[in-house]
Amino acid sequence: GAGVSQSPSNKVTEKGKDVELRCDPISGHTALYWYRQSLGQGLEFLIYFQGNSAPDKSGLPSDRFSAERTGGSVSTLTIQRTQQEDSAVYLCASSSPHAPGSSGWGYGYTFGSGTRLTVV
Amino acid sequence: GESVGLHLPTLSVQEGDNSIINCAYSNSASDYFIWYKQESGKGPQFIIDIRSNMDKRQGQRVTVLLNKTVKHLSLQIAATQPGDSAVYFCAENINSGYSTLTFGKGTMLLVSP
Repeated sequence: GAGVSQSPSNKVTEKGKDVELRCDPISGHTALYWYRQSLGQGLEFLIYFQGNSAPDKSGLPSDRFSAERTGGSVSTLTIQRTQQEDSAVYLCASSSPHAPGSSGWGYGYTFGSGTRLTVV
Repeated sequence: GESVGLHLPTLSVQEGDNSIINCAYSNSASDYFIWYKQESGKGPQFIIDIRSNMDKRQGQRVTVLLNKTVKHLSLQIAATQPGDSAVYFCAENINSGYSTLTFGKGTMLLVSP
């Protein structure tokens, strides 16, 4: 697609439930990233997929968080047994060395609009 | 001002003024920097980027300055407009944008008509 697409845009869930958040990166972008943004805060890195390499999971805050990327395209971030502190906006981004941004470099690092997760 | 807890530093300007937003980055090995604009309810939107072998880069109404000696970035917005009101983030990277970005805390820009 023309941009990074995330769904749902908003999700309200009860504490203890599992949630799945979806990201469709820009077509052809080989790298995909998940970030989390809490209210009034900067973006916190969660996980990074780069082609067929093993993902960098160093930012995942607990083992309740996991992510998959199927077929090198769509990614799903799963949060199990949600807690109130998981409430945040979850942002996905993608980039590719074959798709430089408007500057001619920078690999077109582009964000989606995010999923606002509220755990009640 | 400095960011404390949930409170973002805020810059309030009048329409037509020039705005300067500052950012201190953390990694002396960073070689690529991006400024993003984030409006309420939206994801970060690319504004301008700069490589570490440059100290200045200009776009349309925006200029980014890089001072590697003190690890400082600034974003200058000329003739600020109400539509520029948003939160601005700087981000740093060590692989020209093909790996994770490290973000600053953000600055809220409020433009009064």
